[in-house]
Amino acid sequence: DIVMTQSPDSLTVSLGERATINCKSSQSVLFSSNSKNYLAWYQQKLGQPPKLLIYWASTRKAGVPERFSGSGSGTDFTLTISSLQAEDVAVYYCQQYHSSPPTFGGGTKVEIK
Amino acid sequence: QVQVQESGPGLVKPSQTLSLTCTVSGGSISSGDYYWSWIRQPPGKGLEWIGYMYNDGTTDYNPSLKSRVTISGDTPKNQFSLKLRSVTAADTAVYYCARVPGDFWSGFMDVWGRGTTVTVSS
Repeated sequence: DIVMTQSPDSLTVSLGERATINCKSSQSVLFSSNSKNYLAWYQQKLGQPPKLLIYWASTRKAGVPERFSGSGSGTDFTLTISSLQAEDVAVYYCQQYHSSPPTFGGGTKVEIK
Repeated sequence: QVQVQESGPGLVKPSQTLSLTCTVSGGSISSGDYYWSWIRQPPGKGLEWIGYMYNDGTTDYNPSLKSRVTISGDTPKNQFSLKLRSVTAADTAVYYCARVPGDFWSGFMDVWGRGTTVTVSS
């Protein structure tokens, strides 16, 4: 299985400041045949199911605020919240779908300072 | 807008079979444009993919659970189900059903149910 490692485990950021979450895969999730990175990001608020934010590493799902962006390629990826809002308090997970079984990172908890 | 909702017993005895159903509304499980998946989350822990089914009967399961899992569909009822045999306390989790877009396996889940908590205990 591909192991997904997120850092940091938790993050405390002031309102309006930038939050950066890292995700590293144990092997590349880039398919050379289509140049796509098989990497998604989810947001999970307390007591709620995960919500898809980003897929193909950098494609924002319709309706997701523009302050959320994804970047990276191969084995190293980043989710950036450009200006943290109160409603962004949540746990964020990365997920690879390059190889079966799809696997998730351990999550990064984002809180307000 | 497609919605999915899990249902089933909240308590299962050890060694028995966990059976859950996911009801799809606003879309059809027979559509070739989507796969249908189950994921679980033990209390206070991360997410684990269980498996998927496609409208042609294709399934794939997490190897860690493959010997105990069956996912199947009921097209007339527009539902798909999860059966997990020989459960132990380690199978206690919130179970989610979800939709995976694409006519090929893309692997990311764009619509999730609210989840149902299953506790394995005697």
